[in-house]
Amino acid sequence: AQTVTQSQPEMSVQEAETVTLSCTYDTSENNYYLFWYKQPPSRQMILVIRQEAYKQQNATENRFSVNFQKAAKSFSLKISDSQLGDTAMYFCAFMKPRRDNAGNMLTFGGGTRLMVKP
Amino acid sequence: NAGVTQTPKFRILKIGQSMTLQCTQDMNHNYMYWYRQDPGMGLKLIYYSVGAGITDKGEVPNGYNVSRSTTEDFPLRLELAAPSQTSVYFCASSPRRTGGLEQYFGPGTRLTVT
Repeated sequence: AQTVTQSQPEMSVQEAETVTLSCTYDTSENNYYLFWYKQPPSRQMILVIRQEAYKQQNATENRFSVNFQKAAKSFSLKISDSQLGDTAMYFCAFMKPRRDNAGNMLTFGGGTRLMVKP
Repeated sequence: NAGVTQTPKFRILKIGQSMTLQCTQDMNHNYMYWYRQDPGMGLKLIYYSVGAGITDKGEVPNGYNVSRSTTEDFPLRLELAAPSQTSVYFCASSPRRTGGLEQYFGPGTRLTVT
């Protein structure tokens, strides 16, 4: 079974600065996907970024980028130019695609609570 | 598009009571999922469905039942509520073409069992 670990329960950052959230995972699979989800106080789960394990290039989405280290099984999220609206819980998640693609399931880490301070 | 909608938003149940959490999506997605999120934890998969009439267990299915009679609806049934089922429940859907890679979540139902 796969496990996802987020070792930082809480973090804070000043507005406009950069912060990195850590995530490690354990799997024997070679082909898989990794995700970062954001959960603001509204509780809505929002996909931030996705990384395919077979791609060496790190994914980026505007101010959000990842550092994917496959050998180390590490998948950190960097948020640049932090904004007050980035305040949220952030969850790292793992998905091993099934051969038939049916019902691919997400395995989530425990989350990191990020507070952006003005 | 309303996306994924869940009702109710909040509910308090007594031990042993039953209830159904409703989930509806209007995006014509084949795949639907039920997750639970315990306080301070990540989401865990309860059940999922790849289409009408097809359901399967996830990581934590005990104490729950599901059905999928239409593409749009995926209700979650709790038959004999227990305090351990106090949680926030999220429904999600995904288009088949993405193989579940793009999951759209509902706003959640907060359930307390006392």
